[in-house]
Amino acid sequence: EAGVTQSPTHLIKTRGQQATLRCSPISGHTSVYWYQQALGLGLQFLLWYDEGEERNRGNFPPRFSGRQFPNYSSELNVNALELEDSALYLCASSTGTSGSNEQYFGPGTRLTVT
Amino acid sequence: GENVEQHPSTLSVQEGDSAVIKCTYSDSASNYFPWYKQELGKRPQLIIDIRSNVGEKKDQRIAVTLNKTAKHFSLHITETQPEDSAVYFCAASIIHFGNEKLTFGTGTRLTIIP
Repeated sequence: EAGVTQSPTHLIKTRGQQATLRCSPISGHTSVYWYQQALGLGLQFLLWYDEGEERNRGNFPPRFSGRQFPNYSSELNVNALELEDSALYLCASSTGTSGSNEQYFGPGTRLTVT
Repeated sequence: GENVEQHPSTLSVQEGDSAVIKCTYSDSASNYFPWYKQELGKRPQLIIDIRSNVGEKKDQRIAVTLNKTAKHFSLHITETQPEDSAVYFCAASIIHFGNEKLTFGTGTRLTIIP
């Protein structure tokens, strides 16, 4: 069974540009979560999608947005990039049903803003 | 919202000794507490989790304890081995009808000294 995949592996952008990160969940998983892992700050929750709907979002500005497609894959968009957006962005998926709560993480996309 | 504090931020123990990592949470409604292990350059992986209706859970050398009254939970690793060296994250969430967002602690870098 294939795990969670993310693309691209690395992304270099300049300040003010937009970045698009992609995530494909494990087959059968309907929930996708996005986290930002900045150096020394642990994992910060960004967004949760389930069945195509945004279910919850963390304390991030509106320029962080995303969507979930009918095949349950997801995109994270970051507009008007700032230097402090440089981080590892992790996607995770789960079955989205009560009683099976484990989130399986992807390898991440390293975003560097210069 | 939920706030999770994790201590210590770094921990070094001799191989064969025990390691304990502690977390506190703020939202008394939280009812699901997973622990993730992230080895260098790899994705976080769930190692053990506990729900609020139990006080302790064990899996071989790993155990987690939960004190709901005090709102803290701990990870215990016994007979530590070099492969236990990693960053460990605790998390807390409220599970209703499915997964909710996980609020992570800031991580503990555990180093096992041979």
